[in-house]
Amino acid sequence: SQQGEEDPQALSIQEGENATMNCSYKTSINNLQWYRQNSGRGLVHLILIRSNEREKHSGRLRVTLDTSKKSSSLLITASRAADTASYFCATPLGGSTLGRLYFGRGTQLTVWP
Amino acid sequence: GAVVSQHPSWVICKSGTSVKIECRSLDFQATTMFWYRQFPKQSLMLMATSNEGSKATYEQGVEKDKFLINHASLTLSTLTVTSAHPEDSSFYICSARGGATGGSGYGYTFGSGTRLTVV
Repeated sequence: SQQGEEDPQALSIQEGENATMNCSYKTSINNLQWYRQNSGRGLVHLILIRSNEREKHSGRLRVTLDTSKKSSSLLITASRAADTASYFCATPLGGSTLGRLYFGRGTQLTVWP
Repeated sequence: GAVVSQHPSWVICKSGTSVKIECRSLDFQATTMFWYRQFPKQSLMLMATSNEGSKATYEQGVEKDKFLINHASLTLSTLTVTSAHPEDSSFYICSARGGATGGSGYGYTFGSGTRLTVV
């Protein structure tokens, strides 16, 4: 990918379980963003975490950021079938705030009812 | 919230023809527009960055003569795939950035994508 790697590439779980996706990036960052993409659709912004933040919550989403390891994780708690989608992390290039946005490879999450 | 309208959502064209994809920011001024390309089950690859009123900046390996980008106004950017070939078949997505906080408050608003199939 243009920026980093995500793992796992695919994740399959049952409804009610938690889903954890990881993202690693290569360069220094100002912020890291997580997006969701339903099959064949555009991207929906989920959450943004700044480089001086370590954890952020939004509803059932919890994002962590470890700048020393250049990694982030997205946790979806109590997953639902409707959470089935691809999830991408993205960072603006070169430590900028709103520069060119580069995406990780993504994790395909499937939640079985 | 901020909306970027992308059209068409899908298009099928014959090999050798050109296809134009439009992205409009509906309720904010998009000073910068980004164009991405996505192959099935893969990530988004940034193709180019366009600023209103100036020439687009293309990522390494992207043919600027093949993928023409026009950003003539603060609310409209277009991507034209010229002399399309089957290998150009892909999902194209635009993303608009407007001002310090962006149209949606965090900086980037994405279109819904265009599925291009060249036959």
